[in-house]
Amino acid sequence: NAGVTQTPKFQVLKTGQSMTLQCAQDMNHEYMSWYRQDPGMGLRLIHYSVGAGITDQGEVPNGYNVSRSTTEDFPLRLLSAAPSQTSVYFCASSEQSLHGELFFGEGSRLTVL
Amino acid sequence: QQQVKQSPQSLIVQKGGISIINCAYENTAFDYFPWYQQFPGKGPALLIAIRPDVSEKKEGRFTISFNKSAKQFSLHIMDSQPGDSATYFCAASKAAGNKLTFGGGTRVLVKP
Repeated sequence: NAGVTQTPKFQVLKTGQSMTLQCAQDMNHEYMSWYRQDPGMGLRLIHYSVGAGITDQGEVPNGYNVSRSTTEDFPLRLLSAAPSQTSVYFCASSEQSLHGELFFGEGSRLTVL
Repeated sequence: QQQVKQSPQSLIVQKGGISIINCAYENTAFDYFPWYQQFPGKGPALLIAIRPDVSEKKEGRFTISFNKSAKQFSLHIMDSQPGDSATYFCAASKAAGNKLTFGGGTRVLVKP
């Protein structure tokens, strides 16, 4: 049972480059989200989706785009990477129920030089 | 401005001791308070959760205490074990759904 799968696990970018972090889940969860984890800041919500075709902004959306064309996939796009986006990114999914348990992937560590 | 403030940032406890992590929140609309546990190189995983209609919830060696009037809640790890060494995050959400607001995290080290 794969759960939530994130790729790549590690990535180094130069300032201004673009890239996509992939996230896939095999639990048929309607709700998916992206968080970034920074020391002392905990996890901060970037974008989330309550179902295919529906996305919304979280707490720190600037510099990131998302789309949700299928229930399984929720990619996160960095259009023009900046050093401030150096972080560990986590994708999570849950059933679309009141306070459903979040299931996280293992994270993608991104360094922007 | 963090809506959920967590302390301490790090904690060292001897095996068999009690680990205590505290969280405070501002938004009175929060009505669900989970704790997540994260091991190095892994994603966070749900440990235990509480709703404000109860003041305490216990699951094995882990206990959440909740003080609604003070807008505070805490995690107690009894008889701490080296395998409990991890980062712990408190979180909160509103009735509307699954959007969690996390605290800053506490790195717990249990020494044998």
